[in-house]
Amino acid sequence: DQQVKQNSPSLSVQEGRISILNCDYTNSMFDYFLWYKKYPAEGPTFLISISSIKDKNEDGRFTVFLNKSAKHLSLHIVPSQPGDSAVYFCAASEGTGNQFYFGTGTSLTVIP
Amino acid sequence: GAGVSQSPSNKVTEKGKDVELRCDPISGHTALYWYRQRLGQGLEFLIYFQGNSAPDKSGLPSDRFSAERTGESVSTLTIQRTQQEDSAVYLCASSSSLGRTFGSGTRLTVV
Repeated sequence: DQQVKQNSPSLSVQEGRISILNCDYTNSMFDYFLWYKKYPAEGPTFLISISSIKDKNEDGRFTVFLNKSAKHLSLHIVPSQPGDSAVYFCAASEGTGNQFYFGTGTSLTVIP
Repeated sequence: GAGVSQSPSNKVTEKGKDVELRCDPISGHTALYWYRQRLGQGLEFLIYFQGNSAPDKSGLPSDRFSAERTGESVSTLTIQRTQQEDSAVYLCASSSSLGRTFGSGTRLTVV
């Protein structure tokens, strides 16, 4: 049973525009969420996180929004750059040290 | 080393053979995780080691899968009698209080 879902397997965006990647989860006990970025032939790298006490966390061009009532989080990339083209995974856990549940990923292509 | 190192990077094996995958975590990281990613699927948790505590094996898909870790050093993931459905990228990650770092993975192909 997939507890973290990314329903869009792919997304294409023009350079300079906003990329919005979405993630839904089913377990209301999840209180810590992360986004990872993965290039081909490399392991995932941490991008940004948010805990359930916040509804927004911003780091440069990347902002994560959390809507706890909807069990939904999203990653906004503004402005999008060609180097952002990668697969983005969202992950969730109860607490920061426990097992993480990953979504299936969204492949982002930023078109120059 | 500077990152999490996994070997081999690619492994092709015949169905029924055993394989052993290796993970060298970042020095000082007490926690170590194994995940796998099958084609078109998300990262699937396999096993978690934390210091000298008993490992969390709840994600291992069958008794053909086992993993060991000595102290806070190298871990090996062993798959016995490999099946074609075991074909995947096997990722290792280690973590400290500052976050989790993944290796580049081992791509296993069972033919």
